[in-house]
Amino acid sequence: TQLLEQSPQFLSIQEGENLTVYCNSSSVFSSLQWYRQEPGEGPVLLVTVVTGGEVKKLKRLTFQFGDARKDSSLHITAAQPGDTGLYLCAGALRSNDYKLSFGAGTTVTVRA
Amino acid sequence: GAGVSQTPSNKVTEKGKYVELRCDPISGHTALYWYRQSLGQGPEFLIYFQGTGAADDSGLPNDRFFAVRPEGSVSTLKIQRTERGDSAVYLCASSFGLGADTQYFGPGTRLTVL
Repeated sequence: TQLLEQSPQFLSIQEGENLTVYCNSSSVFSSLQWYRQEPGEGPVLLVTVVTGGEVKKLKRLTFQFGDARKDSSLHITAAQPGDTGLYLCAGALRSNDYKLSFGAGTTVTVRA
Repeated sequence: GAGVSQTPSNKVTEKGKYVELRCDPISGHTALYWYRQSLGQGPEFLIYFQGTGAADDSGLPNDRFFAVRPEGSVSTLKIQRTERGDSAVYLCASSFGLGADTQYFGPGTRLTVL
């Protein structure tokens, strides 16, 4: 049983469209991270959010941490084929926690 | 190398055999982690090293799994009497220090047990 539930499991959109991926839990997390993983490679960290209600932007990607620190979302504006990949959220239950709990991921495909 | 490297990239073995998977962390990183990623799932924590010692091995599924890091750098994950259910991608990550430091992942070793 995974602590973090991601939805949707798969997402296929046309280039230029927007998309949102969700990460939910019944547990409170000290911090939450988003990773992108491409086939044959390990996950690469995109962002870490630590404060409830926090919003971080990374170019066309916007990350939000829920007020109660139980959920997070990733929004991509004007998606491009290069955004294709597996998006994983991962959380740390305590501030000094090295043990990350990952969601199952959302596979995003952006068609040209 | 600049990143975490793992060898072999692919390993095919038969049920009941012994396998070793190697991880070379980023130079200077004291913390090393092993995760297992099954098809369609996110990575699952296995074990964490701080220096030479296993600080937390609570994620190892059973006593067939063992990992070492004798000199505080390279680590080897060892699996005895492999089973078909052990088939997965085994990921290694390293970080500069303790706690919530960014973990940098290697490309993984894809283990297939026939």
